[in-house]
Amino acid sequence: GAVVSQHPSRVICKSGTSVKIECRSLDFQATTMFWYRQFPKQSLMLMATSNEGSKATYEQGVEKDKFLINHASLTLSTLTVTSAHPEDSSFYICSASDRRDTDTQYFGPGTRLTVL
Amino acid sequence: AQRVTQPEKLLSVFKGAPVELKCNYSYSGSPELFWYVQYSRQRLQLLLRHISRESIKGFTADLNKGETSFHLKKPFAQEEDSAMYYCALSVGGAQKLVFGQGTRLTINP
Repeated sequence: GAVVSQHPSRVICKSGTSVKIECRSLDFQATTMFWYRQFPKQSLMLMATSNEGSKATYEQGVEKDKFLINHASLTLSTLTVTSAHPEDSSFYICSASDRRDTDTQYFGPGTRLTVL
Repeated sequence: AQRVTQPEKLLSVFKGAPVELKCNYSYSGSPELFWYVQYSRQRLQLLLRHISRESIKGFTADLNKGETSFHLKKPFAQEEDSAMYYCALSVGGAQKLVFGQGTRLTINP
């Protein structure tokens, strides 16, 4: 149980386009979902926290107009990278916490974004 | 500010030897600490958390508030323990996790 999926697993896009990444909790309802970014050989950096039905809370330094987060249901959150640039190329990982056990985060497999 | 430090980027030990992955934290509140593991080509998964005080796959970790440490230990390493290990701190009661830089553990046969 407690599986989180992400789609797509990798995406290549042109500079200036927008890319949407989906994060789904497959077998549980997620009170909260988190979006992380991981640069090569570096740790995960939290970008934002989203709760179903409310606006996401962004970490300091993360542009909310650049990284749009929507958490429309208890099993789905989306991250849209708008007007992507090469510096947005990174590994994006989502996690979700089960409403029955909010102390534990379950991680998705990640999405590799490459902006040309 | 909250911070998690894993001083060793790489750690290599022989099979059967004891292993200790170091983790130190900086946090003014009451800490909740976790160890996450990422095996090759797999996603990040929870290994253990200090509040449950359990042993998973032979690993244990004790929270030492005096030394602000949460080192991960295993008395006899196995080859399948080779992986990337991240120490993480939950802050503010909001489940936000602050991760350390990670330690890549390699168990040599």
